[in-house]
Amino acid sequence: SAVISQKPSRDICQRGTSLTIQCQVDSQVTMMFWYRQQPGQSLTLIATANQGSEATYESGFVIDKFPISRPNLTFSTLTVSNMSPEDSSIYLCSVVLGFPTKAFFGQGTRLTVV
Amino acid sequence: DAKTTQPTSMDCAEGRAANLPCNHSTISGNEYVYWYRQIHSQGPQYIIHGLKNNETNEMASLIITEDRKSSTLILPHATLRDTAVYYCILHLSGAQKLVFGQGTRLTINP
Repeated sequence: SAVISQKPSRDICQRGTSLTIQCQVDSQVTMMFWYRQQPGQSLTLIATANQGSEATYESGFVIDKFPISRPNLTFSTLTVSNMSPEDSSIYLCSVVLGFPTKAFFGQGTRLTVV
Repeated sequence: DAKTTQPTSMDCAEGRAANLPCNHSTISGNEYVYWYRQIHSQGPQYIIHGLKNNETNEMASLIITEDRKSSTLILPHATLRDTAVYYCILHLSGAQKLVFGQGTRLTINP
């Protein structure tokens, strides 16, 4: 299994500002995943973060809005840039381990933009 | 990944078995059926997975039909703490990213 720590757990931010969310895993993993969960909705994958290369973004998500860093095999950050109220969501970090793979998630960062 | 269909919501009495169905009529031969759940304000939690055979672990049982077009997650003795959204997801054994549907909101009533 994997233990994933996310910081901050929640934040209230002013529109137009940026927030960086940190994700720390207790084991080395090749890929880390960032999901968004809008209010009352299911999870949607934002991007896949690989160590040593640029993140791969899903359709509808762009690097300028959601820049991602992956400096080593246990850590990643997601920045939500130039925030608007529509960015109010829970952002979750995830890794997969084992074969067949199992996914593990952090507790999420609840972001409210006012 | 193939699509799954789940009821939007279900209710179950505490102490009874909760049976959550999932339809996946377009599942391919090498796709696994996975179940995760998300308790309010927490990240999703892995429950169980299976390919063809029925599976049981300390959390639940998974029943997969012979044609693999549907499955049922069984929580044998539901408690109030089992109230959550349950997601049925298909993916290949080595797949990394998950595609979440809307899931079933299960409410366990006292």
